[in-house]
Amino acid sequence: QKEVEQNSGPLSVPEGAIASLNCTYSDRGSQSFFWYRQYSGKSPELIMFIYSNGDKEDGRFTAQLNKASQYVSLLIRDSQPSDSATYLCAVNRGSAGGTSYGKLTFGQGTILTVHP
Amino acid sequence: EAGVTQFPSHSVIEKGQTVTLRCDPISGHDNLYWYRRVMGKEIKFLLHFVKESKQDESGMPNNRFLAERTGGTYSTLKVQPAELEDSGVYFCASSQVPGNTIYFGEGSWLTVV
Repeated sequence: QKEVEQNSGPLSVPEGAIASLNCTYSDRGSQSFFWYRQYSGKSPELIMFIYSNGDKEDGRFTAQLNKASQYVSLLIRDSQPSDSATYLCAVNRGSAGGTSYGKLTFGQGTILTVHP
Repeated sequence: EAGVTQFPSHSVIEKGQTVTLRCDPISGHDNLYWYRRVMGKEIKFLLHFVKESKQDESGMPNNRFLAERTGGTYSTLKVQPAELEDSGVYFCASSQVPGNTIYFGEGSWLTVV
C-alpha cells in the first residue's frame, strides 16, 4: 500500500463546475496536510494546508480533512481552464505548534483538466 | 523576493559521469530540502538540511549521492557515478519552519544515457 494515494485521474470537468480531488494516507501519525498545484514543467506551488478535522476554505478552494478515515480532499469551485494542472497531496508528521518534521510524503498526483 | 532557484535546469550525462546540482533557497530560510521525481513515480524526499546540518537524510538512495550545504546558504547535490535509474527531476525546496509552507524550485531535469 502506498503511503499517500490519490484518485488516479485524469479528471475532466467543465468550466464552472466543482472539481473534487481525493487523497488517502496510511500513516496515522500524520498531522499536517498540503495541497500543491503543479503546471507542466513548473515547480509545485502550495495552494492549501490543513491541520484540523473539518473544512478550510480559501477563495474557490476548500480542503476537507477526516483523520479518523485518513482522508483529505480538495474542492475547487467554479473551475476555470487555468486550474488545469496536476494536483499533489502531501502529508507530514509534524503538527502546527508541535514537533516539526521536514519530510513531506507525496501522492502521485491527479491531473485535472477544465474544459471550456 | 526571489524564489528557490536551481541550476542547471536540464542536464544530460553519460552513465558513470558526475553531475552536481545547485540550489539557492529563499533568503532567510534555514530549512532546505531535496526531493526527486523519477518517471512515473511520486515526488520522494531525499534529505533535509537545517542551516548547514543534515537533519534527515533517510531518503538518500545510496552513497553515490552526496549533498552539502556549506555555510548554511546554497546547497549542492552530487551524483557520482551516475546510473540510468538516477534520471528524473530533482527538486530543491526551502522553508522557514520545518515541514511547513515549503516552497519548491522548478527542478533540475537529469537524464542519464
